[in-house]
Amino acid sequence: ILNVEQSPQSLHVQEGDSTNFTCSFPSSNFYALHWYRWETAKSPEALFVMTLNGDEKKKGRISATLNTKEGYSYLYIKGSQPEDSATYLCALYTSGTYKYIFGTGTRLKVLA
Amino acid sequence: EAGVAQSPRYKIIEKRQSVAFWCNPISGHATLYWYQQILGQGPKLLIQFQNNGVVDDSQLPKDRFSAERLKGVDSTLKIQPAKLEDSAVYLCASSFSGQETQYFGPGTRLLVL
Repeated sequence: ILNVEQSPQSLHVQEGDSTNFTCSFPSSNFYALHWYRWETAKSPEALFVMTLNGDEKKKGRISATLNTKEGYSYLYIKGSQPEDSATYLCALYTSGTYKYIFGTGTRLKVLA
Repeated sequence: EAGVAQSPRYKIIEKRQSVAFWCNPISGHATLYWYQQILGQGPKLLIQFQNNGVVDDSQLPKDRFSAERLKGVDSTLKIQPAKLEDSAVYLCASSFSGQETQYFGPGTRLLVL
């Protein structure tokens, strides 16, 4: 059974702090990696789709990197704001079977 | 463009009762997904449709869950009868094709008592 792991499970940071999370996946099954942000009572929102080793994507204060050879992706938030409080999910789109496998998410709380 | 619509947003039922969820995907999206997200876990794919055909339902508990996508647009997911462990958020998502970005609805939060 394929496993996509995210760490940490949750964290609290102060407003203005920078933070990062990890998504780990089996490199042999990689086709694409998606990052989503899920705020409470809202729809999960797509942040990035990453396909190439060494990919770096940026959206405002949020950026992500991808290492397909070692099977991980990092999501960075620079200068965290209370509105960044959400669960951040990564999803592996697998080669061969072409399925989405989600991680358990990282729950971020930014304290004002 | 309008997003993915789901209803109801919340539902509380007793075990052994039946419940149905509705999803209207983004116009033109051929692929539709139903996910179950239990507290503390990642979303788990229940069923994937391509137009009105089933692509993957390997994780759908077929003894109690059923889903259909009539005319390749709207979809309904039914649970009959519900069990306590079915308490979860049920997310519907759609995409232009199977490997494109998924767009999610707000989910239906189900509590089975």
